[in-house]
Amino acid sequence: GENVEQHPSTLSVQEGDSAVIKCTYSDSASNYFPWYKQELGKRPQLIIDIRSNVGEKKDQRIAVTLNKTAKHFSLHITETQPEDSAVYFCAASITGGSYIPTFGRGTSLIVHP
Amino acid sequence: DAGVIQSPRHEVTEMGQEVTLRCKPISGHNSLFWYRQTMMRGLELLIYFNNNVPIDDSGMPEDRFSAKMPNASFSTLKIQPSEPRDSAVYFCASSLTGSSQPQHFGDGTRLSIL
Repeated sequence: GENVEQHPSTLSVQEGDSAVIKCTYSDSASNYFPWYKQELGKRPQLIIDIRSNVGEKKDQRIAVTLNKTAKHFSLHITETQPEDSAVYFCAASITGGSYIPTFGRGTSLIVHP
Repeated sequence: DAGVIQSPRHEVTEMGQEVTLRCKPISGHNSLFWYRQTMMRGLELLIYFNNNVPIDDSGMPEDRFSAKMPNASFSTLKIQPSEPRDSAVYFCASSLTGSSQPQHFGDGTRLSIL
């Protein structure tokens, strides 16, 4: 089955810096890659996603890049703010049929004011 | 959009008791997932339903855990008998199937078994 590795497990940055979280996946058939943000005590919420026919996607301060050849994808957050502090999860799945995403273990991002 | 609704939000009970967690998916979503989240093991998929049918229950830890989805708008996760190691946050999520659709999570049930 699919295996998703996520790094780093903890990331500490100063406000205004950029943050990058990286994930690798094992199944070359995976074609949908969502990212979720989970604030303390709350539910995971989708913040951005990318499909395998696209190499990069941006939404204001966040962006996701995908390298299908290397089977890795990354989340980039620019101009970080304290409210970006949360746990971020990547996931990979094969759409169609039995859609079951595989999640990474999560990255705890801490943004220091 | 009411989102995925879970109940109860918190449950504290003594070991050996039966625990029932409930979930109402987003109307129109035909896939439903139950997850367990702990610090040690992260986010674990317990069971996945598609069109009310259990498709993958390989994540259900043992026979003490069972899940049902009697109709498209309701699912339960039952633990009987409960043990302290079952203490975790249990999330229900729903999505559309067959295309690149994200999961929508409920607010979770924080379960504490004493």
